[in-house]
Amino acid sequence: NAGVTQTPKFQVLKTGQSMTLQCAQDMNHEYMSWYRQDPGMGLRLIHYSVGAGITDQGEVPNGYNVSRSTTEDFPLRLLSAAPSQTSVYFCASSPGGGNQPQHFGDGTRLSIL
Amino acid sequence: DQQVKQNSPSLSVQEGRISILNCDYTNSMFDYFLWYKKYPAEGPTFLISISSIKDKNEDGRFTVFLNKSAKHLSLHIVPSQPGDSAVYFCAAVLLQGAQKLVFGQGTRLTINP
Repeated sequence: NAGVTQTPKFQVLKTGQSMTLQCAQDMNHEYMSWYRQDPGMGLRLIHYSVGAGITDQGEVPNGYNVSRSTTEDFPLRLLSAAPSQTSVYFCASSPGGGNQPQHFGDGTRLSIL
Repeated sequence: DQQVKQNSPSLSVQEGRISILNCDYTNSMFDYFLWYKKYPAEGPTFLISISSIKDKNEDGRFTVFLNKSAKHLSLHIVPSQPGDSAVYFCAAVLLQGAQKLVFGQGTRLTINP
């Protein structure tokens, strides 16, 4: 009964460092997405995937890379961390398109110093 | 340019009374709307949705109303309970194309005993 699992839960990075935020789901969902939540901004879509091998950009993709080699996993990579990427990151999955309720992980709180 | 707006950052309601959360959108092409609820340190969870071909959808204590001409939707919770204290996000989606969700900024609802 895991649903969507995100690791790590917390991370502190220095400017310029790289890291990968992990996301895994065990519901065999085709759609997966990454969002960031910032105060007063709601959730903004970073990247999304409609199936293994297919990814596309969301509203705020700059500074982030994704890949989807399996249905289960959708990692988010920060290539060179910047203070502006300090945020809470949520991964979500759903069986299909936008009218299907998304299942969210519990988030990764990332601080860039 | 915020396509989905929740203009009330916070709302305080007495237990047992009705809570009304509002959401406005600018893109008349949106054809599906969802509400999510978020507790601290957890990911958002799906609450209720409505298609643009309807003007009301009800699920227990939760009812969503859609006024397409005003580009406005609202979530009614009645009666409000202490466990309803959370942040509520509305989201909109175009069912054609990429079907990406666009979220509002969120409204923090506090239910007072």
